[in-house]
Amino acid sequence: GDSVTQMEGPVTLSEEAFLTINCTYTATGYPSLFWYVQYPGEGLQLLLKATKADDKGSNKGFEATYRKETTSFHLEKGSVQVSDSAVYFCALSASNNFNKFYFGSGTKLNVKP
Amino acid sequence: EAGVTQFPSHSVIEKGQTVTLRCDPISGHDNLYWYRRVMGKEIKFLLHFVKESKQDESGMPNNRFLAERTGGTYSTLKVQPAELEDSGVYFCASNQLHNEQFFGPGTRLTVL
Repeated sequence: GDSVTQMEGPVTLSEEAFLTINCTYTATGYPSLFWYVQYPGEGLQLLLKATKADDKGSNKGFEATYRKETTSFHLEKGSVQVSDSAVYFCALSASNNFNKFYFGSGTKLNVKP
Repeated sequence: EAGVTQFPSHSVIEKGQTVTLRCDPISGHDNLYWYRRVMGKEIKFLLHFVKESKQDESGMPNNRFLAERTGGTYSTLKVQPAELEDSGVYFCASNQLHNEQFFGPGTRLTVL
């Protein structure tokens, strides 16, 4: 069945460091891929998405490229800020059921000043 | 515009008791979803309503869980009787058509 695997956390970085959070997926067909972020005390917010192979999603300095050949959707940011501290979830929606999301286990990011 | 709201934010109950979680979606959203995150693991889909109808309930763990959405507005998720393994964070989300799902802050359920 469809599933998402993402690197375990927590990830602790200093401000302005480079961030990568790995995400790989298993799915039939051509899923859509997402990164959601959950800030402390808040709900999940869509950070970025990509709906087809080689698409790059980007938002707030974060980027992720849909790589079908490696079934990956790694999240990157060139220079993290303390305000980026949150839990990040990789997710997919199946091509035959867009409304059903499959999430990874989440990666907690701590950014220290 | 108000976002998705959930009540309560936290609930602590004894094993065997009943708990009812409530979700108010964004006004006008026909689709409503329930998800659960257990013990820091992945967030798992529970079910999907379209208006008041259950479109997909393939993720409901067992018959101790009952979800309703009378009138197609807010939804409730009842756990009766609660077991220890039901502890986790229950998220609700809503959207219109196939657009982005908007999530609520979640209800943290602890079963002792």
